[in-house]
Amino acid sequence: QVTLRESGPALVKPTETLTLTCTFSGFSLSTSAMRVSWIRQPPGKALEWLARIDWEDDKFYSPSLKTRLTISKDTSKNQVVLTMTNMDPVDTATYYCARMSGYNWGFDYWGQGTLVTVSS
Amino acid sequence: QSALTQPASVSGSPGQSITISCTGTSSDVGGYNYVSWYQQHPGKAPKLMIYEVNNRPSGVSNRFSGAKSGNTASLTISGLQAEDEADYYCSSYTSSSTLDVVFGGGTKLTVL
Repeated sequence: QVTLRESGPALVKPTETLTLTCTFSGFSLSTSAMRVSWIRQPPGKALEWLARIDWEDDKFYSPSLKTRLTISKDTSKNQVVLTMTNMDPVDTATYYCARMSGYNWGFDYWGQGTLVTVSS
Repeated sequence: QSALTQPASVSGSPGQSITISCTGTSSDVGGYNYVSWYQQHPGKAPKLMIYEVNNRPSGVSNRFSGAKSGNTASLTISGLQAEDEADYYCSSYTSSSTLDVVFGGGTKLTVL
């Protein structure tokens, strides 16, 4: 079955760089039309889409965060990595990775999320 | 401010039907049949309830249905049950800039 799991630090300091890893199973990112996105949710607030990488290694970023984000994949390890530079307390949120198969437009599988707190 | 507009809250009694609206623009909701809806219970990850405007994934109750008219999509839940109480988010593909996906601000459904 399809599973995704986010991992990374629970606490980062302001100005530091955050690196999050999404480790997945049950599908391959080398399969046509497969995509993985990162989505975050500040406490008590709405979902916000951050970035996406697809099977052809095309990458898309939220315009408001584009200069701070980098998304990459390691197909052999079934992992997608997101880095976010210059972290700020407003970046405190639960970070999710989610799959979209491409044939059905919707995030059909989500990780459980990882809470990242930005504080000195 | 979210790109898609949803009411902050809706409520209904068990057995009733409710509808949640999601308003965007011709660059997102109105321009494509790529609208999805998610249910999120407290402390849990979102769950896909509707994809491509009106399609239910396997395992989702047929009490959930989606529709779209112009720049506004909607989610209807019929025969409300206590377990339907949750936050609901709409999402759409967007052709704006490099943005790929936009979400609504979320709607809190209370089952009275």
